[in-house]
Amino acid sequence: DAGVIQSPRHEVTEMGQEVTLRCKPISGHNSLFWYRQTMMRGLELLIYFNNNVPIDDSGMPEDRFSAKMPNASFSTLKIQPSEPRDSAVYFCASSFGGTPDNEQFFGPGTRLTVL
Amino acid sequence: AQTVTQSQPEMSVQEAETVTLSCTYDTSESNYYLFWYKQPPSRQMILVIRQEAYKQQNATENRFSVNFQKAAKSFSLKISDSQLGDTAMYFCAFTTSANFNKFYFGSGTKLNVKP
Repeated sequence: DAGVIQSPRHEVTEMGQEVTLRCKPISGHNSLFWYRQTMMRGLELLIYFNNNVPIDDSGMPEDRFSAKMPNASFSTLKIQPSEPRDSAVYFCASSFGGTPDNEQFFGPGTRLTVL
Repeated sequence: AQTVTQSQPEMSVQEAETVTLSCTYDTSESNYYLFWYKQPPSRQMILVIRQEAYKQQNATENRFSVNFQKAAKSFSLKISDSQLGDTAMYFCAFTTSANFNKFYFGSGTKLNVKP
């Protein structure tokens, strides 16, 4: 299996621009997670989906952030408009949820820089 | 509140020696799972080892083992015969029976293995 795939690996944009991060989970996994990692705040869960349905979005920082999962093999995290404080590494992870020992498999991350 | 504390931001160890990374957690749940994840410079998060709270026996995976002290809510990671490839950030995490999809991560410990 190719593992969790994220694109792009690096994104540099200017403040005010829209940014879309993409994720393809591992085939057969039914839970998908978006995390943000910064030096200041560490690894934060933004939102997660179960069977394509958003379950908990309490970690989404504000309305500028939105996430979708139109099908079991694709998810997007959108920031509109982007701000310099959104600069971070964004990870997508997937798991076969619902089991107590479910391991989360992480993608390689997208490093976002907002100028 | 569910929290994870890693009190050692950075540690160093000589190659071939043993090092222990500490982690304490807090949860009111009785059924939970504990994890150690490794994040090398490549940024890829990799599961190192996991422990089921109801099991008294400490988990072991090759050179990696844990010291799980349930009463003290402590979950330390011991790396024996350290190798240069062990250089990475190490994150302690747990999930609970209230929601096995939701992971709580610590702030991480940066481990440097010196030749």
